[in-house]
Amino acid sequence: GENVEQHPSTLSVQEGDSAVIKCTYSDSASNYFPWYKQELGKGPQLIIDIRSNVGEKKDQRIAVTLNKTAKHFSLHITETQPEDSAVYFCAARYNTDKLIFGTGTRLQVFP
Amino acid sequence: NAGVTQTPKFQVLKTGQSMTLQCAQDMNHNSMYWYRQDPGMGLRLIYYSASEGTTDKGEVPNGYNVSRLNKREFSLRLESAAPSQTSVYFCASIFGGYSNQPQHFGDGTRLSIL
Repeated sequence: GENVEQHPSTLSVQEGDSAVIKCTYSDSASNYFPWYKQELGKGPQLIIDIRSNVGEKKDQRIAVTLNKTAKHFSLHITETQPEDSAVYFCAARYNTDKLIFGTGTRLQVFP
Repeated sequence: NAGVTQTPKFQVLKTGQSMTLQCAQDMNHNSMYWYRQDPGMGLRLIYYSASEGTTDKGEVPNGYNVSRLNKREFSLRLESAAPSQTSVYFCASIFGGYSNQPQHFGDGTRLSIL
C-alpha cells in the first residue's frame, strides 16, 4: 500500500546550523507534498508545500526539494533558531483527497 | 477567524464508556478528516468526509463512527472505548478534495481511556 518514510526521527543542531529532513514515498501518482510543523500541545501547521511540476520551492529560511524519479523530497532549514524546535511531518497526497503522513522528526535547536 | 475548533481539549474515560468528539470549521471547506496521533506513528486517518452527507473509512476505522452533521461540523464517536484508543485526535479540513491545497488542523483532543 501507499507509504511515506521519514528520516531521521530525531535531529539536534546548533543554532545557526542547517537542518535537513528526508522523506520517500511509494505511490508514483502522488503529486502534492506538504510539510507541517507541530509545536507542543498544538495541531500541525503547514509551513511549505510543493507540487509535482516543481523541483524546488523556497520561503525565506525554508526550502523543499522534490525528486520525482527517485520519489524523494526533503525539507531544508537554514540558519536554524531555537523557535524552529518542533516536530516536523512530511506528507504525500494520494487517491485524490487523502494524505499519507511520515512518522515525524523531532528537531531540537540548541542555543 | 477560528479555523478548525475541536472540543473537548482533554477527556478521561473508563473502558466501555462512549463519547463524541466534536469538530467545527468556519472556512466553508468541503472536506473534513479525523486522524489519530500516536507516538512514533505519525498521523493516521480514521474517517473522512469529502462533502456534506458523505463519509468514508480511512486507514484505522475500527471502533469509531462519524457523522457529517452539516458542512461545518464533523463528529467522531467512540461507542465502547478501549485502552487502545488512548491517543490524540485531530480534525482537519480542506476546501476541495481534488485540489492541491493544504489541510488545516485543529489543536486536538487528548483522550485517555483507563
